[in-house]
Amino acid sequence: EAGVAQSPRYKIIEKRQSVAFWCNPISGHATLYWYQQILGQGPKLLIQFQNNGVVDDSQLPKDRFSAERLKGVDSTLKIQPAKLEDSAVYLCASSVRGMAYEQYFGPGTRLTVT
Amino acid sequence: AQTVTQSQPEMSVQEAETVTLSCTYDTSESDYYLFWYKQPPSRQMILVIRQEAYKQQNATENRFSVNFQKAAKSFSLKISDSQLGDAAMYFCAYRSRRNTGKLIFGQGTTLQVKP
Repeated sequence: EAGVAQSPRYKIIEKRQSVAFWCNPISGHATLYWYQQILGQGPKLLIQFQNNGVVDDSQLPKDRFSAERLKGVDSTLKIQPAKLEDSAVYLCASSVRGMAYEQYFGPGTRLTVT
Repeated sequence: AQTVTQSQPEMSVQEAETVTLSCTYDTSESDYYLFWYKQPPSRQMILVIRQEAYKQQNATENRFSVNFQKAAKSFSLKISDSQLGDAAMYFCAYRSRRNTGKLIFGQGTTLQVKP
């Protein structure tokens, strides 16, 4: 079974530029999560999708971050414009529908904003 | 709001020895899940062990076991017979049974295994 795929693995941009990350969850997983992991901290949920609907985006900085999951499969997370404090690893995870099920994580995208 | 605290930024253990990683959490809920995740350097996070709060019996997965103290809100991870491959960042995480399923993570503990 293929795991959660993410691209790119690494990205370096200058502040005020825009960037997009892509995630393809495990086939059949209805729930998709985007987490932000700042160096030295645990991951923090940015947004959660159930199929193509948003379930929780309470911690997403909506003035600069956006995410979509068209057709309920893969997802894109965008930052525009980026700030220095956005430097982090962005993790995508997916799970079968339902809270009892394990979340499977992708390898992450490491973003450096200079 | 729920919080998870890992007070040990770094731990080290000799190969084949036993080590315990600590985690405390704060919640007003009575039903929830607790997890330990392992994140090796530059590799993806994987689930090590899961505990359901309504179960009194401590979870065990091969060399990994937990000490779940619900009243004290403590959830420690014991790794027995440590191996070089156990070296990683370990995160304790909480999930309410009532919310949407998001995980609330602690700050992490870096485990070094010495040969």
